[in-house]
Amino acid sequence: EAGVVQSPRYKIIEKKQPVAFWCNPISGHNTLYWYLQNLGQGPELLIRYENEEAVDDSQLPKDRFSAERLKGVDSTLKIQPAELGDSAVYLCASSFSGNTEAFFGQGTRLTVV
Amino acid sequence: AQSVTQPDIHITVSEGASLELRCNYSYGATPYLFWYVQSPGQGLQLLLKYFSGDTLVQGIKGFEAEFKRSQSSFNLRKPSVHWSDAAEYFCAVGVNTGNQFYFGTGTSLTVIP
Repeated sequence: EAGVVQSPRYKIIEKKQPVAFWCNPISGHNTLYWYLQNLGQGPELLIRYENEEAVDDSQLPKDRFSAERLKGVDSTLKIQPAELGDSAVYLCASSFSGNTEAFFGQGTRLTVV
Repeated sequence: AQSVTQPDIHITVSEGASLELRCNYSYGATPYLFWYVQSPGQGLQLLLKYFSGDTLVQGIKGFEAEFKRSQSSFNLRKPSVHWSDAAEYFCAVGVNTGNQFYFGTGTSLTVIP
């Protein structure tokens, strides 16, 4: 069984440019998470989906970040425009709803120059 | 508010020595507790989890952790460390039936020959 798949693995962009990350969760997992991980820090939740509904987006900087999970399966996280401080690893995770274990993808390492 | 504290930023142990990584949490109810490991450039892999019952839980790769309610702790242990255990270790607490996860800042483990 495939795990959580994220792409791209690495992305380098200039500041003020847009960028998008894609996540395909484990089949059947209806909860999907996007986390931000700064260097030397633990993951911090950006947004959590239950199926196609964003049930917790309180930590998502909505002026520049957006996310969607249109069919309740894969998801896209977008930053527009990117800032230097957005350089970090963006992790996607998924779980069964009500299950207490999340499975993580390998992450996308974003560098903004 | 819930929080997770990992007081040791970095630990160095000799191969074959025992290991204990500390984790303290703050949460009003009984939490779900997790330890994840992250190798460089990789996502997070679950080592073990505690939901209820026996306070000593066994995980993969020879790791175990003990939940101590009186100390609000969930320390990770391994009797004999292998060089391949060098990685970043994250403690996490799951709340609200486990669909929300809060991570500590991590402990970086170096294993010397």
